[in-house]
Parts: sequence; structure tokens; C-alpha cells
Amino acid sequence: GAGVSQSPRYKVAKRGQDVALRCDPISGHVSLFWYQQALGQGPEFLTYFQNEAQLDKSGLPSDRFFAERPEGSVSTLKIQRTQQEDSAVYLCASSSRRDSRYEQYFGPGTRLTVT
Amino acid sequence: AQSVSQHNHHVILSEAASLELGCNYSYGGTVNLFWYVQYPGQHLQLLLKYFSGDPLVKGIKGFEAEFIKSKFSFNLRKPSVQWSDTAEYFCAVNAQNDYKLSFGAGTTVTVRA
Repeated sequence: GAGVSQSPRYKVAKRGQDVALRCDPISGHVSLFWYQQALGQGPEFLTYFQNEAQLDKSGLPSDRFFAERPEGSVSTLKIQRTQQEDSAVYLCASSSRRDSRYEQYFGPGTRLTVT
Repeated sequence: AQSVSQHNHHVILSEAASLELGCNYSYGGTVNLFWYVQYPGQHLQLLLKYFSGDPLVKGIKGFEAEFIKSKFSFNLRKPSVQWSDTAEYFCAVNAQNDYKLSFGAGTTVTVRA
């Protein structure tokens, strides 16, 4: 079946611009995660949704970052007034169960470059 | 919060050599442990996981990992690598009842044919 998809795959933004990154999880997956992966590093947790509820946003680096999942399926990560340090790959993952032991399925990521 | 360290940044091997990648974590409670792999041009995918039971777990493509609780380690092994094992490998941990994964920095494995 279809996996997690993300769009756009690549985004170049000028410093100060707003960007919106989209994630389509696997159909029926209740859990959705966003991670940020800087060059040469492992992914770092940003935020977690269970259906439409954002249960954990402890990893969002600043109030310029905002995520939503209004209908419990597609999610959008928005970054306002982008800065150079926001350049990274943004990964979305989904999981079928509300259980920390279950596999998270990752999408291909959106590579954001802020110039 | 948990932290994860992977000992090797880049490993270069010849085909048929054995592979062992180290992973240590810091967290005092019960954890779930994962190894993810990212092949060139592909997305992260699960190799194997451990959350209870036999501390020696087997995953896909001939990989296995051993959880040693006393050492806070979860090392990944493969007895004989193939060129197709060239990839980046990430160790990840989450605490029981916590969903977010903490990842190590990753180890790039290059297998020479």
C-alpha cells in the first residue's frame, strides 16, 4: 500500500518567508510525528499528534513553528519568518497504534533550504 | 529525556566482512529500542526493534541486535555484509509510554564490492 508522503520534497525559501510543509500519513494511522534532521545528525522530535489532538509539542524550537492536523489525517508544519538555522530535512512519520512499541513509518522528507 | 550515542560515524568494510555498530543510551527506566536504516535515496525504514523478551532480536536482511541492560547498549550486528548494505544506520530509543523517538547521530556504512 501507499506509504507516508510529503510535499514538497524540496523547498528553497528566502530568510523571513513563511513555509508550509505537508504530510499525508498512511491511511488509518492514528499517530503522526514530525522530526527535524539537520545535516549529519539524527532526526530530532518536533511534535506528536494522536488523531487531531496535538499531544506533545515539546520539540518545536520556537513559536515560529506551528503544526496542525485538523481532521486527523493530513498534517501541515508551518514555519514563519524562516531563519537560516531552520535549514534541515523535515520528516513526517505515522504509526497505526497508540503504543510506543509500534513502528513509526517515515516519509521521504522535505529538504528546506533557507537562503 | 533520553540520549543516544552511536560510536562510529563512518565504517568502511569489504563484502563478507562482519559488521557491528555500537549504540548506547542514557535513561534509567524501561525503554523500547529500534534500529532504522536509510538506503541511498530512500526513506528511513525499520530494521528491528526490542521492547521485551529475548534480548537477542533478529530483523530483516540478516541483521540482529543484542540488548544488554546493564550496559545500556543495543548493538547491531551482521555476520557477513553485502554491497547492498551500504546505508546510514540509526539507533533510536523511546521510553515506555512515551511516543517520541530519540535518535543517535547515525553511522554511515560503506561496503566495498
